[in-house]
Parts: sequence; structure tokens; C-alpha cells
Amino acid sequence: EAGVAQSPRYKIIEKRQSVAFWCNPISGHATLYWYQQILGQGPKLLIQFQNNGVVDDSQLPKDRFSAERLKGVDSTLKIQPAKLEDSAVYLCASSLPLDGSEAFFGQGTRLTVV
Amino acid sequence: GNSVTQMEGPVTLSEEAFLTINCTYTATGYPSLFWYVQYPGEGLQLLLKATKADDKGSNKGFEATYRKETTSFHLEKGSVQVSDSAVYFCALRTDLRGGTSYGKLTFGQGTILTVHP
Repeated sequence: EAGVAQSPRYKIIEKRQSVAFWCNPISGHATLYWYQQILGQGPKLLIQFQNNGVVDDSQLPKDRFSAERLKGVDSTLKIQPAKLEDSAVYLCASSLPLDGSEAFFGQGTRLTVV
Repeated sequence: GNSVTQMEGPVTLSEEAFLTINCTYTATGYPSLFWYVQYPGEGLQLLLKATKADDKGSNKGFEATYRKETTSFHLEKGSVQVSDSAVYFCALRTDLRGGTSYGKLTFGQGTILTVHP
């Protein structure tokens, strides 16, 4: 079974530029998450989708971050404009929409803003 | 709100030593508890879980018991190996019965474990 795919693996941009990350979840997983992991900290949820609807985006900085999941499969996370403090690993995860289901994580995209 | 606190790291052990990584939590509702592991260059992987009080999760020689009275979920292994070197994250999820954000994982800050031969 293929896992959660993310691209790119690494990205370096200058502050005030824009960047986009892509995630392809495990086939059949209706729930998709984007987490931000700053160096030395645990992952923090940015946004959660159920199919193509948003369940929780309470910690998404909406003035600069946006995410979509058209057709309820792939998802993209965008940052525009980027700030230095956005440097982090962005993790995508997916799970079945069932109580007790395990969340499977991708390898992440490491973003460096200079 | 929900929160998870892990013991300060990093932790350095010799092979075959006993491992304990402490984890305590604060949560509303009925949380499930998890330990995730992140090996160098790899994504987060579920190591073990427990979904109700007094449950014991176990996998690959690691164990953790859900203690509601002390709000803890400490990770233990009797004899660590070099291959156990990784970052370990304790996490909780408030499930449908009591939570407002079903499926959302709240993580601790992570504990770096290094095992020397």
C-alpha cells in the first residue's frame, strides 16, 4: 500500500515570496491533516479536512496561509507571503474517518525562509 | 485546552539499558493516547496507542500504560538497541464522545533518544 506522498521534500525561499506544498493521501482516506513542525517542537495542526470540507482551521494563520482539497483527494498548502518564522517542516497526514483510526504521515516538506 | 508535556531531553543511553520517557497530559473529554516515533530522515510512525484508562499499548518491546489517575502515559523499554535512536513524541486525540475536533492530534515537544553501542 502506498503511503502519504508529499512534494517537494525541501524548499528554500526568500521572505515575502510565496510557496506551495502538495500532498496525496492514502487511497480511501477521507480525513487529511496539515501540521507544522518547528525545529525542537512537536507538530501543530494547521488544518483538517474531511473529504473536501474544512473541519478545523482554528490555528491556520489565514492572512498568509491557505489550503484546499479539491475533489476530496489531493491537497495543497500555500504560504503568501512567507516570513522567517514560517521555516519549519510541513507534514501531511491522512486517516479513515473512523473512531480510533491511525493517522499516517508523509515524510514532510522542509521549508527554509531566508 | 488539550496539552501534552514530555520529559526534557535529549536522552543518551548505552545499548541494553532501561528506557523511560515521561509523558503527562491535560485534556477534556475522553482522550486516546499515542506514542509516535520519527527515525532520522523518515516521517512520523505510530509506535503504540491506548484508547481508554488502564489500557496498555505495546509494540517492538516498547510499552505504555494509560493512567487516568495520574494523567500519564510513560513510554518504557527494558533493553534499548542502537536502532531505537530516534525522536519520540507523545500525543493525544480527543475522540468523538467528548471532543470538538475529532481526529486532531495534540503533540508533546518530542524527546531525542540516542543509544550508543
